[in-house]
Amino acid sequence: DIQMTQSPSSLSASLGDRVTITCRASQAISNYLAWYQQRPEKVPKLLIYGASTLQSGVPSRFSGSGSGTDFTLTISSLQPEDVATYYCQNYISAPLTFGGGTKVEIK
Amino acid sequence: EVQLLESGGGLVQPGGSLRLSCAASGFPFRNYAMSWVRQAPGKGLEWVSVIYSGDSNTHYADSVKGRFTISRDNSKNTLYLQINSLRAEDTAVYFCAKGMTTVTVALQSWGQGTLVTVSS
Repeated sequence: DIQMTQSPSSLSASLGDRVTITCRASQAISNYLAWYQQRPEKVPKLLIYGASTLQSGVPSRFSGSGSGTDFTLTISSLQPEDVATYYCQNYISAPLTFGGGTKVEIK
Repeated sequence: EVQLLESGGGLVQPGGSLRLSCAASGFPFRNYAMSWVRQAPGKGLEWVSVIYSGDSNTHYADSVKGRFTISRDNSKNTLYLQINSLRAEDTAVYFCAKGMTTVTVALQSWGQGTLVTVSS
């Protein structure tokens, strides 16, 4: 089974900062990588699929990159509404594992 | 507008069973892969199961294999999860989610979830 490892598990940054979250797969998954945002007490929301394709309606300050085993989610300028936990997910084949999550807070 | 409405959660004793339902609307249900994802209180997301469109091929997380069964009724636009032999560690909010295509399981839309509590 493919394991997904996210880092860091939490971070605190200032408004306007550039924030980077990494996700590593235990074996190559090509670009079958999705990122989700879950705001406090809310339902998860798809941000990025195909490792780098922005889901419709997602602000352009979010971007994704990577292929194979190493992936990155970047928020170019952190906004108050970005306070959330972010999860990566492999969807190349079952089990469609999620990473452990990265909690983003405002400093 | 895509809508997914889960139901069937509740309090159940260890060893008990429940059937969760997810009523879908706003899209051609039969044409999309569907999945269940759960989230234990204060914990992260855990993928549970997927059922693909077409051949209705299914897969499960190791933690639920043999105890949970995913199914779909395309005539009723409804996804199901039969959960048996429940354990305390199955306590979670269960979300149903819609994939992007027949086989692509980036989860594009999510329901609000239904809470399953396993306790004596």
